[in-house]
Amino acid sequence: SQQGEEDPQALSIQEGENATMNCSYKTSINNLQWYRQNSGRGLVHLILIRSNEREKHSGRLRVTLDTSKKSSSLLITASRAADTASYFCADTGRRALTFGSGTRLQVQP
Amino acid sequence: EAQVTQNPRYLITVTGKKLTVTCSQNMNHEYMSWYRQDPGLGLRQIYYSMNVEVTDKGDVPEGYKVSRKEKRNFPLILESPSPNQTSLYFCASSLGMTSGSFNEQFFGPGTRLTVL
Repeated sequence: SQQGEEDPQALSIQEGENATMNCSYKTSINNLQWYRQNSGRGLVHLILIRSNEREKHSGRLRVTLDTSKKSSSLLITASRAADTASYFCADTGRRALTFGSGTRLQVQP
Repeated sequence: EAQVTQNPRYLITVTGKKLTVTCSQNMNHEYMSWYRQDPGLGLRQIYYSMNVEVTDKGDVPEGYKVSRKEKRNFPLILESPSPNQTSLYFCASSLGMTSGSFNEQFFGPGTRLTVL
């Protein structure tokens, strides 16, 4: 089954720095979505980018999509301690979303 | 408040004792889904439902059952739980598809299940 794979698996940065996470997927998509999960809690939708879009912004988030490379990146600018969480990409098939294993982001105050 | 609720939030049980985890959403969503989350494996889909009385297997359906008799509810049933079903379970709902594109999913708070 298709699956997004995030890279790196873990990332530790200082507050104020930018954090970049990458995602690769295997098959054609309609859209790609990014989610955030605070430890042990439910996932929260961050941003959706459609297959005909190349870049999308939402607040301090910037997502890019390269369908030729089957990859996406999530950039969090000016990170805060509260951004500490796991981040997942999810690629969309015909009938379901398939999640990767996530990137654990630690933002040190 | 728009939300997905799950009950129970925590459950410790023994092998073979049937259990049901309930899931309910108040957003009139057509699509509902169950995932399990295990360390290092991310979220894996168990079952999903595109609408009432329409359910289908996800990636890891073995040992689970679901039903969708009403739009708002999507219970997950473990007929004979085993220790390898110890996991963190999430229910999610969504409007489903719009113009062939999947919409965002709204997740419940999770159910932590331990099978002894």
